This record gives sequence, C-alpha cells and structure tokens, in this order.
Amino acid sequence: GESVGLHLPTLSVQEGDNSIINCAYSNSASDYFIWYKQESGKGPQFIIDIRSNMDKRQGQRVTVLLNKTVKHLSLQIAATQPGDSAVYFCAENIRHKLIFGTGTRLQVFP
Amino acid sequence: EAGVVQSPRYKIIEKKQPVAFWCNPISGHNTLYWYLQNLGQGPELLIRYENEEAVDDSQLPKDRFSAERLKGVDSTLKIQPAELGDSAVYLCASSFGTTVTDTQYFGPGTRLTVL
Repeated sequence: GESVGLHLPTLSVQEGDNSIINCAYSNSASDYFIWYKQESGKGPQFIIDIRSNMDKRQGQRVTVLLNKTVKHLSLQIAATQPGDSAVYFCAENIRHKLIFGTGTRLQVFP
Repeated sequence: EAGVVQSPRYKIIEKKQPVAFWCNPISGHNTLYWYLQNLGQGPELLIRYENEEAVDDSQLPKDRFSAERLKGVDSTLKIQPAELGDSAVYLCASSFGTTVTDTQYFGPGTRLTVL
C-alpha cells in the first residue's frame, strides 16, 4: 500500500503494551489541539482533541496530555493493538487552520 | 453516513498538463477544505470554503491552482499547468460548522504523480 512517510520518527511497541507519542507545538497562542491517525492509503482520522484550558482528556484507550508551559502534547494509547499501526499527527488549530506537526509512525509487533 | 468522497484516487500526468480533482463533502457540512500532503509530512491547507465563499486561500498558488465550490456542496481543485513538484496527495476535508472545535473529516485523497 501507499506509504505516508518514508523517514518519519518511528515508535515500535509490542502488542498489549502502552504507547506514548509526543509532539511539540510552536504557537503559544494555540488554544485547541487534535490528534489524527493516518493509515496507509487513507486520509487522517480524528482521534481525540483537547482545549488549552485542560491538561488531560481521556477517550477510549487514548489519553491526550497537554503541557502548555513547554508547549508539549502527548498521546497515550493503552493496550496497543495491531490495528493501531499508523502514522500519528498532532495538529494545532489556529483561526480554523490546522497546522500539522511531524508525524510519528507507530509499529506494533506481536 | 457516507464520508468525504474524492475522485480520482490516483492520477498520473505529464508535466504541463492540466489536472482536476473532485470532492463531495459529508452531507450537511458547510465548510470544505483542500489540503496538500507531501510524502513524509503533515497536510498543509490550500483553501477553505464556507458554503460557496473561499474565506482563506492565502496558501493557494494562484498562478497555477484554482478551486471552485459553485453550489456550496461539491468542489473541484484544478492545476494548470502541472509541474513536477506538484506530485503529492491532495486531501479534501469537511466540517459541519466554522468554529475552531468543529472536527474536520478527511477524504482518502487523490495521489497525483507528475512525470
């Protein structure tokens, strides 16, 4: 299938382990952040979002942490499954414009 | 509910030729976006429509790129003439409203290869 990125940072985890994907953003005025998952040959898929007035938000098996002091965002995936294998992008929404960070490829091995 | 539909999925053309991409957003979504995604990078916004109006086209290279959304639903993105550097995936996305927190839903993209 199509490769989203050939030279992306890669995180390799064993099935069942927890995954942590990190992202740094640049604009201190950003007030809304989103994590997207992109599988090969598909468009980005919304996972979870967080507003700047929050430090943590949980979804099903996913948690997003926001540290505004150091402009850092992380995505935690619990009990990682083979279907979680994809490229993950963080994005900040600035005046309706999504600014995507550098993606991270998550590889899950048995 | 059907997602964002794009066609074609793949397109191969020679440089200097024209090319057009089509997008049908999710029903009821008033806001439509075109993004460009180069290999190994995140998508970059080209243009944003609110209904028929292009409210942000600041990133669209207007010398060769054009877009339209005549009836506020479907949209087309055109490149004329295409250059080698235009090879990329062109993504369409839509959202229901215009607020910052309105989730953008992406289509599968059109992969363009310019030879």
